[in-house]
Amino acid sequence: AQSVSQHNHHVILSEAASLELGCNYSYGGTVNLFWYVQYPGQHLQLLLKYFSGDPLVKGIKGFEAEFIKSKFSFNLRKPSVQWSDTAEYFCAVNEGRQAGTALIFGKGTTLSVSS
Amino acid sequence: ETGVTQTPRHLVMGMTNKKSLKCEQHLGHNAMYWYKQSAKKPLELMFVYNFKEQTENNSVPSRFSPECPNSSHLFLHLHTLQPEDSALYLCASSRGSITEAFFGQGTRLTVV
Repeated sequence: AQSVSQHNHHVILSEAASLELGCNYSYGGTVNLFWYVQYPGQHLQLLLKYFSGDPLVKGIKGFEAEFIKSKFSFNLRKPSVQWSDTAEYFCAVNEGRQAGTALIFGKGTTLSVSS
Repeated sequence: ETGVTQTPRHLVMGMTNKKSLKCEQHLGHNAMYWYKQSAKKPLELMFVYNFKEQTENNSVPSRFSPECPNSSHLFLHLHTLQPEDSALYLCASSRGSITEAFFGQGTRLTVV
């Protein structure tokens, strides 16, 4: 069965610091990769996604992620965080190209940004 | 607003009650999902429906009973729950697997 590991449980940064959140998955076949964000009191929102092509994907709000197939990783990055980036971040994966294949999520990383 | 609406937003129920959670999407998606979000745990997939057919039941206790009458609506019927079932229950929908899932705001369930 697939699993997703997010290594950082809670990350605390000052504004303007750079961010990298780790994500590794365990599945050897074709995967689709996602990062979601959940701001306090709000629903899960998609930050970015990777299906195929360029392994460096850019998402909303200045976030990007790099798919490294050999490392089974899909780390999230942002060069300069803002206070408004305080939220919980979830990495997710589903497999293949079949319809209705559910996302499997990591435990999430709480990011706290101080101004 | 994601296009996925869940009601109620909050629910408190006793262990002997029967209640239902409702999810509605008007995005034209064919797949719908129930997830459970508890503190300090990953989102746990509960059920998957694809074109109204249940395609996955992730070893969920029988006190949770899903129903999908059409591609736009998904219910989760609850009966004789336990306090440890208290959590945020999230509904999501997608058009196949090569698009992202859209999530509702969830129902915060408290079992007393």
